[in-house]
Amino acid sequence: DQQVKQNSPSLSVQEGRISILNCDYTNSMFDYFLWYKKYPAEGPTFLISISSIKDKNEDGRFTVFLNKSAKHLSLHIVPSQPGDSAVYFCAASYNFNKFYFGSGTKLNVKP
Amino acid sequence: EAQVTQNPRYLITVTGKKLTVTCSQNMNHEYMSWYRQDPGLGLRQIYYSMNVEVTDKGDVPEGYKVSRKEKRNFPLILESPSPNQTSLYFCASSPRTGNTIYFGEGSWLTVV
Repeated sequence: DQQVKQNSPSLSVQEGRISILNCDYTNSMFDYFLWYKKYPAEGPTFLISISSIKDKNEDGRFTVFLNKSAKHLSLHIVPSQPGDSAVYFCAASYNFNKFYFGSGTKLNVKP
Repeated sequence: EAQVTQNPRYLITVTGKKLTVTCSQNMNHEYMSWYRQDPGLGLRQIYYSMNVEVTDKGDVPEGYKVSRKEKRNFPLILESPSPNQTSLYFCASSPRTGNTIYFGEGSWLTVV
């Protein structure tokens, strides 16, 4: 049973607009969440993270929001650029122990 | 340059022929792990290691073995590969207090 779920396999957005990628989790013990970006033929690379003591973390065009009561997090990319086209994985962990990954969302940013 | 290196990057092998995928990290990380990526299933953990000589099963350990004799190396062993082990494999490492995981570039394995 997947503890971290990304229910949208793909998302298409126009360049300059906002991209919103969603992620849900089931384990209320998770206290740390990450987003990874993956280009074809490359390994996933770290994008942004958030601790459960926060509800928002920002890094440039990327913002992650955490709603603990809903067990939901989202990644906002504003403005979206064609170079953001990739597969995005969310992940969660408890006490930096094992990490659980979602199935990924493929983002396509159209010029 | 900090990196996780895995080899081979691409391999086609036959059912039953033992193979090893090597993984090495140069960041002195305690924690290392192996994942496989399959369509619609995302990244699933195969095995992980909290430190030298300490390994444990992940979510999909069947058909795999690992060893951690040195801190920097964490090879993945397929004793008798089967076609359902055809997948994209990633090795990863992170420090003990780590708040992120560093991935290798991936190894495409095809078992025919």
